[in-house]
Amino acid sequence: AQSVTQLDSQVPVFEEAPVELRCNYSSSVSVYLFWYVQYPNQGLQLLLKYLSGSTLVKGINGFEAEFNKSQTSFHLRKPSVHISDTAEYFCAVSSQRDDKIIFGKGTRLHILP
Amino acid sequence: GAGVSQTPSNKVTEKGKYVELRCDPISGHTALYWYRQSLGQGPEFLIYFQGTGAADDSGLPNDRFFAVRPEGSVSTLKIQRTERGDSAVYLCASSPGRANTGELFFGEGSRLTVL
Repeated sequence: AQSVTQLDSQVPVFEEAPVELRCNYSSSVSVYLFWYVQYPNQGLQLLLKYLSGSTLVKGINGFEAEFNKSQTSFHLRKPSVHISDTAEYFCAVSSQRDDKIIFGKGTRLHILP
Repeated sequence: GAGVSQTPSNKVTEKGKYVELRCDPISGHTALYWYRQSLGQGPEFLIYFQGTGAADDSGLPNDRFFAVRPEGSVSTLKIQRTERGDSAVYLCASSPGRANTGELFFGEGSRLTVL
C-alpha cells in the first residue's frame, strides 16, 4: 500500500520569497506522484505530476517539483511566491499497477505581505 | 459549465438517518472517485469506479457506506444510520481515462453535518 506524508501543516512565507513544500511517500512498487492545489472556496485542481523521465517536473503558475527516488520525496518549489498562491497544497501518490490515488494531509501556504 | 457537479452542496441530518449524495461527472469520463475530507485533513480515499463497476472499494469505512454507478455516469454515495463521525465534506472526482496517469477533476463537494 502507498502512503504520503506532508510534515508541514502550514508554511508562512513572505511575498516574493522562495518556498518549498515537502512531501515524502512510501510504496513497495513504482509510483506516480502528483501535487494538487485547492484555492479558497474552490475544488482541488492538478498542479503537476511525475510519471516517468526527467525527475524535475514543471507545473502551472511557476511551480516545479523534483522526484527523488532514493529519498522517496517529491518536494514542491517556487522561486518567488505571490499573494495569489495562498492555498492548500496536497501531495498524492498512486502505484503504477492500479488507479487508487492517495492524498497527504495537505500544507497550507500562507503568504505574508 | 461542464465540470463535476455534486448535490446537495450542504446536507444537515440527524444521527441515525439515511443520506444520499449525488455526483454528476464530466460527460464521457469513465473513472469516478469518492473521497471524504474532514476538517484539517487531506482527501481520504473511499472508492473508485471504472465504468459501472467498483474497481476498488477498500476505503469505505464500514458496511453503512455504499456507492453505485449503474449506468457508468452518475454516481450516488449512500450512508445508512449516519453517525456524528460521518460529518465531513464528501468529494467526487472524475477522469477521462486512467486517473493515475492523467488528472482528477474535482467537484466542490457535499458538506454533510450529522447532528
